[in-house]
Amino acid sequence: GAGVSQSPSNKVTEKGKDVELRCDPISGHTALYWYRQSLGQGLEFLIYFQGNSAPDKSGLPSDRFSAERTGGSVSTLTIQRTQQEDSAVYLCASSTDSNTGELFFGEGSRLTVL
Amino acid sequence: QQQVKQSPQSLIVQKGGISIINCAYENTAFDYFPWYQQFPGKGPALLIAIRPDVSEKKEGRFTISFNKSAKQFSLHIMDSQPGDSATYFCAASGNSGNTPLVFGKGTRLSVIA
Repeated sequence: GAGVSQSPSNKVTEKGKDVELRCDPISGHTALYWYRQSLGQGLEFLIYFQGNSAPDKSGLPSDRFSAERTGGSVSTLTIQRTQQEDSAVYLCASSTDSNTGELFFGEGSRLTVL
Repeated sequence: QQQVKQSPQSLIVQKGGISIINCAYENTAFDYFPWYQQFPGKGPALLIAIRPDVSEKKEGRFTISFNKSAKQFSLHIMDSQPGDSATYFCAASGNSGNTPLVFGKGTRLSVIA
């Protein structure tokens, strides 16, 4: 498919474990975003990658969260020492380097921390 | 600090009626205001967007009304259909959309027959 691909679609983990969530953006899209969606809280911005520029990490809630984007394509969001409040749907989106502003979202990775 | 405030949280509309969702923002640097539609189990998808140089934009049954002085914008869905039942998010960003979008908390719309 030509859309944004995320894996795993569902992840159940125990408190204190580390998790990695993967995002494969649309080919050719230079911008990549991670958002977190919690029930009743809307979409919370986490981190933004644009080309070769330094990422905008201003939305990361704590130092347990980190993300990288290798080769300007695939991105991995890592959550260390997971807590129950980390349970949410993690959404990845990509966009072209234009001023249309349209974000193309994946279907998300649902994380449940027991 | 919530930069984009969205209301109502949920909305029930009769088929054929008008659905109205409102958003307000504080940051005067915002210059791009999209609405996203999300169905259960799916990611949000762009529905319609507006820039502050116009006060209204219409695409089919969907219309955005924008009031720059009041820092408010709204989504109107005319002739609402059961297939419109979804969660709707307003959003805003600066730099003509090239900075991360800030989203409202969403409105769950149910259109009943």
